[in-house]
Amino acid sequence: KAGVTQTPRYLIKTRGQQVTLSCSPISGHRSVSWYQQTPGQGLQFLFEYFSETQRNKGNFPGRFSGRQFSNSRSEMNVSTLELGDSALYLCASSLSGDNSPLHFGNGTRLTVT
Amino acid sequence: QKEVEQDPGPLSVPEGAIVSLNCTYSNSAFQYFMWYRQYSRKGPELLMYTYSSGNKEDGRFTAQVDKSSKYISLFIRDSQPSDSATYLCAMINAGGFKTIFGAGTRLFVKA
Repeated sequence: KAGVTQTPRYLIKTRGQQVTLSCSPISGHRSVSWYQQTPGQGLQFLFEYFSETQRNKGNFPGRFSGRQFSNSRSEMNVSTLELGDSALYLCASSLSGDNSPLHFGNGTRLTVT
Repeated sequence: QKEVEQDPGPLSVPEGAIVSLNCTYSNSAFQYFMWYRQYSRKGPELLMYTYSSGNKEDGRFTAQVDKSSKYISLFIRDSQPSDSATYLCAMINAGGFKTIFGAGTRLFVKA
């Protein structure tokens, strides 16, 4: 069974631009979560989607948004990029989201210059 | 205070040593506990998944949960250089939709 696929693997953007990251979950998994990983803050929860509905959201500004499609694939968008948004963005899927363990993709490395 | 505390290390051990990795937490509602391994330039990989207190063994890995002390551990027996990675503890409360992670401990196993 294929794992979680994230595209692109690497992105370089300029301050003020916006970016869209894509995630394809493991087949049969209906929950998708997004995390930001930085050396200083570790893994920080962004949001979780199940059946196209956002069920939980972390403490990030409104510039960070996401959505999930009917096939469980998900995208996250960051608008008006700031230097501090440079990070590894990880997508994880799980069967149902509640109590089931997360399975991660290899992330998208975003660099903002 | 963070909900989950984990010593970031680094922890350096010789090959063949027993490694002990630990996390403490403050939220007594946490019911499900996990350990992940993350290699450089890769996403975290699930190693162990346990519910409530007790021990779980899988090959060279043993996970322990002590809910009364709010303390979880991962033991690695006969450590190998290929075990060199960052180990992250994680936990979720019953019915929760958000997994909380520790900061991760960097482990180096020297040949």
